[in-house]
Amino acid sequence: GAVVSQHPSWVICKSGTSVKIECRSLDFQATTMFWYRQFPKQSLMLMATSNEGSKATYEQGVEKDKFLINHASLTLSTLTVTSAHPEDSSFYICSAREGGRARSRELFFGEGSRLTVL
Amino acid sequence: AQSVAQPEDQVNVAEGNPLTVKCTYSVSGNPYLFWYVQYPNRGLQFLLKYITGDNLVKGSYGFEAEFNKSQTSFHLKKPSALVSDSALYFCAVRDTNRDDKIIFGKGTRLHILP
Repeated sequence: GAVVSQHPSWVICKSGTSVKIECRSLDFQATTMFWYRQFPKQSLMLMATSNEGSKATYEQGVEKDKFLINHASLTLSTLTVTSAHPEDSSFYICSAREGGRARSRELFFGEGSRLTVL
Repeated sequence: AQSVAQPEDQVNVAEGNPLTVKCTYSVSGNPYLFWYVQYPNRGLQFLLKYITGDNLVKGSYGFEAEFNKSQTSFHLKKPSALVSDSALYFCAVRDTNRDDKIIFGKGTRLHILP
């Protein structure tokens, strides 16, 4: 299947700093990518939908100024956690769907990025 | 509201025995159903999907799932479990009101006992 690469896998930062996480589709073009947050022993929570060349669509309750999403090309989306605080510590996962908006296609996931804010 | 339920937090199965991980769904219209597996500190891996056609869907690593419309279920099965199957399994359904959104169940942790 298609490959989605996420970087970094682990990141530790000080409170108040910003952290950028990259999500790349390596062998396909993804007009849409998705960012999830996963708390320990819980399911994935969709944070936002990243659309190439346009603004991201955020889910209710997700602060768009806190979690900046940029989808500058068909193979790259970035999530920046701004002014990070310990409560932002979590496992962040991106996903992408190959091709257009075919609702039957499965999502391909990155390996996730574990953020720890001290 | 559209949803996916995985009634079991954890399932324990002896190696070599058949396994079942349960999933029920609630959506309007025709469901598009998926199973994913997650290993510790990793992303999700796609196992299989049901869109239309045969109710028994075969997927990766010997897994299969049976779509049952009358019971609104999509249970994951494997005839003979391996220790390496131990992981977290997520059932998911596409939100029929939003083409781009997938709704995940809370996950079931599968322990295969050697």
